[in-house]
Amino acid sequence: EAEVAQSPRYKITEKSQAVAFWCDPISGHATLYWYRQILGQGPELLVQFQDESVVDDSQLPKDRFSAERLKGVDSTLKIQPAELGDSAMYLCASSLAPFGSGTGELFFGEGSRLTVL
Amino acid sequence: QKEVEQDPGPLSVPEGAIVSLNCTYSNSAFQYFMWYRQYSRKGPELLMYTYSSGNKEDGRFTAQVDKSSKYISLFIRDSQPSDSATYLCAISDRGSTLGRLYFGRGTQLTVWP
Repeated sequence: EAEVAQSPRYKITEKSQAVAFWCDPISGHATLYWYRQILGQGPELLVQFQDESVVDDSQLPKDRFSAERLKGVDSTLKIQPAELGDSAMYLCASSLAPFGSGTGELFFGEGSRLTVL
Repeated sequence: QKEVEQDPGPLSVPEGAIVSLNCTYSNSAFQYFMWYRQYSRKGPELLMYTYSSGNKEDGRFTAQVDKSSKYISLFIRDSQPSDSATYLCAISDRGSTLGRLYFGRGTQLTVWP
């Protein structure tokens, strides 16, 4: 069964350091999402890609976060510098089409858990 | 006010019990209603999906939507220990092709044998 792959599963870093997460969506899925899930909270959208283009990054803290999907396949989310409040699970999801099109069921990866000390 | 409110629990029930999980939402434009299940240290997986008022049944799971009250529910019949997880409601509008999902904070459920 096709899955969304994420790495690393766990990352511990010190504040002010740089950290990067990688996501490989299900093959053929044009839409890719990065969500942040703080412990005890629901996921919140950080950025949404349609192919290689960003279509929604309104909730991405752009002073320290960046995301790219250069060839419209895999994606990287970077945080620099990391802050204590960034400790969370970073979830990648993909779908065949944008959710609003009616066919866009989101498939989530297992997430990358970040701890900032 | 958050778009979606969900009681975080925790909820603990014996095996075989009927479980009721609920969310309320604020925006009447929301039309898509979903329930996700999230096991510990895993990503969410879609359980139920509906875009209309009324009930939708899938095995032991029933999703209920009341748009007039802006209230959605998930019922689990004959609950099993394997149902122990966090259940997240998620809601979206169809106002744009972006169709952003708004998640509740999740209700942690434990079903004990």
